[in-house]
Amino acid sequence: KQEVTQIPAALSVPEGENLVLNCSFTDSAIYNLQWFRQDPGKGLTSLLLIQSSQREQTSGRLNASLDKSSGRSTLYIAASQPGDSATYLCAAPTGNQFYFGTGTSLTVIP
Amino acid sequence: NAGVTQTPKFRVLKTGQSMTLLCAQDMNHEYMYWYRQDPGMGLRLIHYSVGEGTTAKGEVPDGYNVSRLKKQNFLLGLESAAPSQTSVYFCASSPLGGTLGLTGAQYFGPGTRLTVL
Repeated sequence: KQEVTQIPAALSVPEGENLVLNCSFTDSAIYNLQWFRQDPGKGLTSLLLIQSSQREQTSGRLNASLDKSSGRSTLYIAASQPGDSATYLCAAPTGNQFYFGTGTSLTVIP
Repeated sequence: NAGVTQTPKFRVLKTGQSMTLLCAQDMNHEYMYWYRQDPGMGLRLIHYSVGEGTTAKGEVPDGYNVSRLKKQNFLLGLESAAPSQTSVYFCASSPLGGTLGLTGAQYFGPGTRLTVL
């Protein structure tokens, strides 16, 4: 069974800092890896999707990388802002299911 | 294009009552999923469907039933609600990426907050 781990569970940084969130998975037979953002009391919003054949994807200040051989993905957030405060989850589809990490709760301090 | 919608948004049940949560998607996606999210537990898959008329069990299926009579709808039923089923329920859908399987992104509904007293 695929297991997805996200470290750290919580992170607090001052505004303007660059930061990296980590996601690791045990089964490299994934189709892609997807990063989500979840605000308190809200649903999941897709941020980036990296296909298994790709190494990275970029959207604005966000850059996600994927290394299937090592079972790792990272989400890089540049010049963090208070509005980036949220929980970030990664998901790896294997077989017919998506497997989620428990998320990293990010707080950006003004 | 509404994406994935869920009905209702909030519900309070008494132990033993039954209810059905409705999920609808207008993106013609093959795959649909029901998750529950509890503090400290992350998202756990309850049931899923890989196409109209099909359903399969996920990680935590006990106490729930599902049906997918139409491609666009996926229903989650609680026959006899228990306090342990107090949670936030999310529905999601994903396209079938041809023979490559789940190459598409997953799209989520806004969630249903259920409290069982």
